[in-house]
Amino acid sequence: GESVGLHLPTLSVQEGDNSIINCAYSNSASDYFIWYKQESGKGPQFIIDIRSNMDKRQGQRVTVLLNKTVKHLSLQIAATQPGDSAVYFCAEVVSSGSARQLTFGSGTQLTVLP
Amino acid sequence: DAGVIQSPRHEVTEMGQEVTLRCKPISGHNSLFWYRQTMMRGLELLIYFNNNVPIDDSGMPEDRFSAKMPNASFSTLKIQPSEPRDSAVYFCASSLARDSNGYTFGSGTRLTVV
Repeated sequence: GESVGLHLPTLSVQEGDNSIINCAYSNSASDYFIWYKQESGKGPQFIIDIRSNMDKRQGQRVTVLLNKTVKHLSLQIAATQPGDSAVYFCAEVVSSGSARQLTFGSGTQLTVLP
Repeated sequence: DAGVIQSPRHEVTEMGQEVTLRCKPISGHNSLFWYRQTMMRGLELLIYFNNNVPIDDSGMPEDRFSAKMPNASFSTLKIQPSEPRDSAVYFCASSLARDSNGYTFGSGTRLTVV
C-alpha cells in the first residue's frame, strides 16, 4: 500500500545569508526549550537552549527567540555556512520532580546553497 | 569522555528474531532516554530512566518492546519478536537531571527488520 512519510519543512538559503527556523510548541507548562541540529547519520546535537522565563538568548552565530503568547520559538543563524546544512529540531522540556522529559518537534531541513 | 555509546551501529535481522540494542550513557549522568526516529513519526520518546528506575514507558509501542537499566552505566532495549515496522533508527541519550543542556545523544542504531 501507499506509505505516507513525514513531510519535513525545508529551508534553502544562500551561503552567508541569515537563516530563521521556526517552531510551534503546545505545552504551556514547558520549563525550557532546546534547539538541536541533526546531521545525516548522526544523533541530534545540542545547539542552544532558553528557559521559559526568557524571551531571547544568544550564542555563537545563533539566537533563539521565545514568544510564549503565541507559543512560538525561532532559531536564527547568522552568516549561514555549508556546515549548517542539517535537520533542526526544537524540543520542549517538562520537569517533574528530579526527572525531565524532552519532546521533539517534527524538524526543519536546512540546505545551504553555495 | 567518549559520549553516549550505542551498539551496534547497524542491525539487520529477520522478522521474528529477537533484537537487543545497547547503550552506555555518559559517566555521571543520571537520566537515560530511548528514542525512535522514523520518517513517518519523527523522533519519539520510548522510555526514560532516572537513577536506573523507569519513570515513563508510555511511549513503548507494544509488549514486544522492553527496556532495562541494570546499573548506571548500561541500558538495553529489546524487541522480541521483531517486525518489519520496527525498522527505524533508535537513539539513546543521557543527561544530568539538573543540567539544562546536558542531553547528549548517541550516534544511534539503524535497525532493519526484513
